[in-house]
Amino acid sequence: GAVVSQHPSRVICKSGTSVKIECRSLDFQATTMFWYRQFPKQSLMLMATSNEGSKATYEQGVEKDKFLINHASLTLSTLTVTSAHPEDSSFYICSARPPLAAGELFFGEGSRLTVL
Amino acid sequence: AQRVTQPEKLLSVFKGAPVELKCNYSYSGSPELFWYVQYSRQRLQLLLRHISRESIKGFTADLNKGETSFHLKKPFAQEEDSAMYYCALSDSGGSNYKLTFGKGTLLTVNP
Repeated sequence: GAVVSQHPSRVICKSGTSVKIECRSLDFQATTMFWYRQFPKQSLMLMATSNEGSKATYEQGVEKDKFLINHASLTLSTLTVTSAHPEDSSFYICSARPPLAAGELFFGEGSRLTVL
Repeated sequence: AQRVTQPEKLLSVFKGAPVELKCNYSYSGSPELFWYVQYSRQRLQLLLRHISRESIKGFTADLNKGETSFHLKKPFAQEEDSAMYYCALSDSGGSNYKLTFGKGTLLTVNP
């Protein structure tokens, strides 16, 4: 099956700094990738849709200046949490759909961000 | 707006017992429904989708448009079925397959 990889899997940073999380599709090209956030013992919340070569589409209530998304190539999308604060601590998960995959999304392993 | 409801946060059954994980949805169009599973320390992965009408690992799910439900069933649960299960809905009219997830049900199958 298709593989989606995230890096880093864990990151700890100080309040006020920015953190970048990468999402790569390893064996397929993805024009669209999705970024989710998951709070402890809660469901995945879609943050934004990352579109290759164009601006990301953010869900209602998600600050686009806070969560910068760049999809510069067909195999890489990045999420940058700017000026991170403790309330940004969470599990961030990306997903992508290979062409002709009939709606199935493949998920990365997730990145746990802890802001001190 | 589309919504997926999984009423049970936790579900515990004994090995060999039948199991049903409930999922209800609200969507004005023609939805595509999925069940995703997350085993301990593993990433989220697709279990099954309604359009395939297939049985995966003994699980089946039937889309009931009248009741707007997509319950997941297995006649004889196994210990290895213990996992977090998420019901998800996709906008079939869109090309992005953006998924809306339910809150998930943690299934524990006891020996």
